[in-house]
Parts: sequence; structure tokens; C-alpha cells
Amino acid sequence: NAGVTQTPKFQVLKTGQSMTLQCAQDMNHNSMYWYRQDPGMGLRLIYYSASEGTTDKGEVPNGYNVSRLNKREFSLRLESAAPSQTSVYFCASNTQGRNTEAFFGQGTRLTVV
Amino acid sequence: AQSVSQHNHHVILSEAASLELGCNYSYGGTVNLFWYVQYPGQHLQLLLKYFSGDPLVKGIKGFEAEFIKSKFSFNLRKPSVQWSDTAEYFCASSGSSNTGKLIFGQGTTLQVKP
Repeated sequence: NAGVTQTPKFQVLKTGQSMTLQCAQDMNHNSMYWYRQDPGMGLRLIYYSASEGTTDKGEVPNGYNVSRLNKREFSLRLESAAPSQTSVYFCASNTQGRNTEAFFGQGTRLTVV
Repeated sequence: AQSVSQHNHHVILSEAASLELGCNYSYGGTVNLFWYVQYPGQHLQLLLKYFSGDPLVKGIKGFEAEFIKSKFSFNLRKPSVQWSDTAEYFCASSGSSNTGKLIFGQGTTLQVKP
């Protein structure tokens, strides 16, 4: 049972380069999320998708775009990477509704030089 | 804005010592509360959760947490820590949202010395 799978696990980008982080879940969850984790700041929500076909901004959306490709997949794109986007990125999913818990992927460690 | 605060940023304990990590949340309505753990190099795993009912919640690996509504707190406890509990611990709240979005605290790094 894979749960939430993220690719790649590690990436180094030069400033200005673009890349897409991929996320897929096999738990038939409706909602998916992208968070970034920075030292001393916990995890902050970048974007989320409450259901297939919808996406909404989170706390820190600037510099990112997302695509909910289908129910399973939710990708995060950096169009022009900046050093401030150096972080660990986590994808998560859960079922729709209030009393649910989120399941997290393994994370992508991104360094922008 | 709704927030979650963790008071202890870095805790160092010896094995068998008792642990209490503080967590306060700001939203005054009905909230769901969580503690997640992140072992070195791994993803976040759920330790325990509170949705409603008994305010004393038991989780995995001997952890428990107490929801005190009057104090807006959800502190994590373990009577006797082990070296394998070395990890980063995150408190999170759903706030007023019903979309599953989480508001995380800053995290607490726990180092247990053998």
C-alpha cells in the first residue's frame, strides 16, 4: 500500500529554472495539499485541492502553480525558481470532511542555488 | 489569523525521563487537533488526534495528549522517553476550516540521550 508518493526526493535547481513536483495518492482521497517545511516555521500550506477540478491558494502561494490532474495526482510547479524556495516540500491527502486525518508523502528536498 | 504555537523548540532529555511538549491554538470554535512526528529523514506520521469526546487522547508508542479547551491547549506527554523517540514533533489544528487544511506549530526537536 503506497499511500502518498512524491517525486523526486531530491532536486537542485539554478535560479530561474523551472520544475514540477509530482504527487500521487492511492487511497481514493478527495482532498490533496502541498506544504513547505522550513526550519523554525513548521509546515505552511502552499496550495490545496478540496476535490478533483478545484484548487485554492494556501498561506504561501506566491511563486507556485498547481494542477489537479485527476483524483489521484496533484502537481506543484515552480515556474522560475528562487533561492527563497529552497525548502522541503510535502504532499498530503485526506478524505473530504472535517473529522479526517491527513497522510503525508516522503517529501522533496529542493535546493535553489 | 489562526495560529498554533509550540513553546519548546529544542528539548534534550535522558532516556526514561518524562516528556511534555506544549501546544496552544488560537481558534475558539470547534477544532480538530493533531500531533505528528517526523523521524530523521522520514515523512510526517500521525501520533494522535482529537476530534471530540474524551479530552485525554492516547496515541501510538505510548504518547498521549490532553485537550484543555479553557486553556486552548493540547499538550503532548510521554511518561518515559526512549532514544528512538528522537524526532521532530509538530502540533497542528484544523482551525475553522472543514477542508482538511492544517495549521502547524513551529515544531519541537526532541533529542533523547541514551
